[in-house]
Amino acid sequence: NAGVTQTPKFRILKIGQSMTLQCTQDMNHNYMYWYRQDPGMGLKLIYYSVGAGITDKGEVPNGYNVSRSTTEDFPLRLELAAPSQTSVYFCASSSRTSGSTDTQYFGPGTRLTVL
Amino acid sequence: QQQVKQSPQSLIVQKGGISIINCAYENTAFDYFPWYQQFPGKGPALLIAIRPDVSEKKEGRFTISFNKSAKQFSLHIMDSQPGDSATYFCAAGRGATNKLIFGTGTLLAVQP
Repeated sequence: NAGVTQTPKFRILKIGQSMTLQCTQDMNHNYMYWYRQDPGMGLKLIYYSVGAGITDKGEVPNGYNVSRSTTEDFPLRLELAAPSQTSVYFCASSSRTSGSTDTQYFGPGTRLTVL
Repeated sequence: QQQVKQSPQSLIVQKGGISIINCAYENTAFDYFPWYQQFPGKGPALLIAIRPDVSEKKEGRFTISFNKSAKQFSLHIMDSQPGDSATYFCAAGRGATNKLIFGTGTLLAVQP
């Protein structure tokens, strides 16, 4: 299993441009998450999904959109890139089972710079 | 109420020593407390996790101590090794969706 894969690894955008960060998992997990990581700030949840067709906002959703048409894929869309969106983006997935510790498995990240 | 406060921001430990990282939370609804380890250029990976019905959990050299009344939990790394040098994040989660609130991270350097 490849686990959680993310593309691209790096990207530079100009202010106002749009892009989609791709995330795919092959573990048949129902839960998927998008986080951003800024220096000294930890990880902040942007959006999450509990299954295909179901998404909801996290702590910092402004400027982003998501969709979940399949179990495997959870793309993150930036419509009008701003310098404040310069960050490292991580996708994660988990399989929620009652009574267990619910490990979130993270992808390798996408480093995005907006100039 | 949703914050998780982590300290110290950075930590230098000699090889063989004990590394201790502390976290505090406010929301008593949290029911899942994981610690993640992150190496440079990589995504975080689960190290160890605990639920509030136990006060301690040990896996190899890594131990979580949990104090429910004080709303604090800590990570202890025994016999610290240079390979443990990484950034460590505590987190807290709750409910069916298990959304995680992360601490700000601790950069650990273990000197040989």
